[in-house]
Amino acid sequence: SAVISQKPSRDICQRGTSLTIQCQVDSQVTMMFWYRQQPGQSLTLIATANQGSEATYESGFVIDKFPISRPNLTFSTLTVSNMSPEDSSIYLCSVMTGGTGGEQYFGPGTRLTVT
Amino acid sequence: AQKITQTQPGMFVQEKEAVTLDCTYDTSDPSYGLFWYKQPSSGEMIFLIYQGSYDQQNATEGRYSLNFQKARKSANLVISASQLGDSAMYFCATYSSASKIIFGSGTRLSIRP
Repeated sequence: SAVISQKPSRDICQRGTSLTIQCQVDSQVTMMFWYRQQPGQSLTLIATANQGSEATYESGFVIDKFPISRPNLTFSTLTVSNMSPEDSSIYLCSVMTGGTGGEQYFGPGTRLTVT
Repeated sequence: AQKITQTQPGMFVQEKEAVTLDCTYDTSDPSYGLFWYKQPSSGEMIFLIYQGSYDQQNATEGRYSLNFQKARKSANLVISASQLGDSAMYFCATYSSASKIIFGSGTRLSIRP
């Protein structure tokens, strides 16, 4: 298993500003993922963050809006840029252990409200 | 493309009864995995159980078992002897060849005392 922490746990931000979310894992993992969960909805994958290469973004998500860093095998950040109320969501960091098809674990999430 | 379908938006079950949460999937990949997660009102995503497409036996984890029917492309979660603490959202998910997980829309399970 993997223990994942996220900072901040929640924040209230004004539109037009940016917020950086940190994700820390207690073990080295190759693949880290960032998800968004809008109120009452399922999880939507934003991007896959691989150490040593550019993040891979899903359709509808772009690097200018959601820049991601992955400086090492235990840490990643997601920035939500130029925020609008539509960005109000829970943002979750996730890791996959054991390679492809292994178990996937999630951080506690960051609850973001944009006013 | 991968797709997960959960047709039960909500379910009510009496405490101590068994409950089955439905999940069907669609994939063209010969190798894939299926997951179930629990999300209580606190918002955390709790990993419950995993089934690989080549696993011969259905996965079990305590009170959770996965009824995997490959020919029907279904991966239903069975919770035995339900408890009040089982009340939560439950998500079925599958991983694709690109090793990213796709989630279903979820089922809200409510356990009645």
